[in-house]
Amino acid sequence: NAGVTQTPKFRILKIGQSMTLQCTQDMNHNYMYWYRQDPGMGLKLIYYSVGAGITDKGEVPNGYNVSRSTTEDFPLRLELAAPSQTSVYFCASGRALPYNEQFFGPGTRLTVL
Amino acid sequence: ELKVEQNPLFLSMQEGKNYTIYCNYSTTSDRLYWYRQDPGKSLESLFVLLSNGAVKQEGRLMASLDTKARLSTLHITAAVHDLSATYFCAVDKPPRGSNYKLTFGKGTLLTVNP
Repeated sequence: NAGVTQTPKFRILKIGQSMTLQCTQDMNHNYMYWYRQDPGMGLKLIYYSVGAGITDKGEVPNGYNVSRSTTEDFPLRLELAAPSQTSVYFCASGRALPYNEQFFGPGTRLTVL
Repeated sequence: ELKVEQNPLFLSMQEGKNYTIYCNYSTTSDRLYWYRQDPGKSLESLFVLLSNGAVKQEGRLMASLDTKARLSTLHITAAVHDLSATYFCAVDKPPRGSNYKLTFGKGTLLTVNP
């Protein structure tokens, strides 16, 4: 099993550009999550999904969109990139029940200039 | 709002010494998770604690959970350089039946010096 994979690993965007961060898991997990990690701030939840076709906002959803058309894939879309979106983005998946252990992808380091 | 606080946020240790990282949380929960993150890498699950009094150990790391005190500890015994990393605790927010989100602490950056 590859686990959770993310592409790209690194990306530099100009202000106002858009991009999609890809996330795929092969563990048949229903629950998937997008976090951003800023230095010294821990992880903040952007969006999450409890199954195909169902998504919901986390703590910091502004400037992002998601979709979940399959169990395996959970892409994160950045529209009109801003410098405040410079961060490391992690995708995670899990079964949530009977407990909520989450498994993380390798991350995407995004810089917006 | 669930808050998770770790302390210390920075910890510099000598090899061979013992130390404890603390994780306090603000609301009732009996499920707590510890993760490790090496520099520039992803998060790796270390321990899952699922009840009051739970204790898990792997190598030089031991984690425990006191749900009444809303406190988990990560104890490091005879530290070695390979344990240098950032350690995060995370808590489930109840009610479990309708909420599948983890709230993370800010992390403890552990540096083990020779």
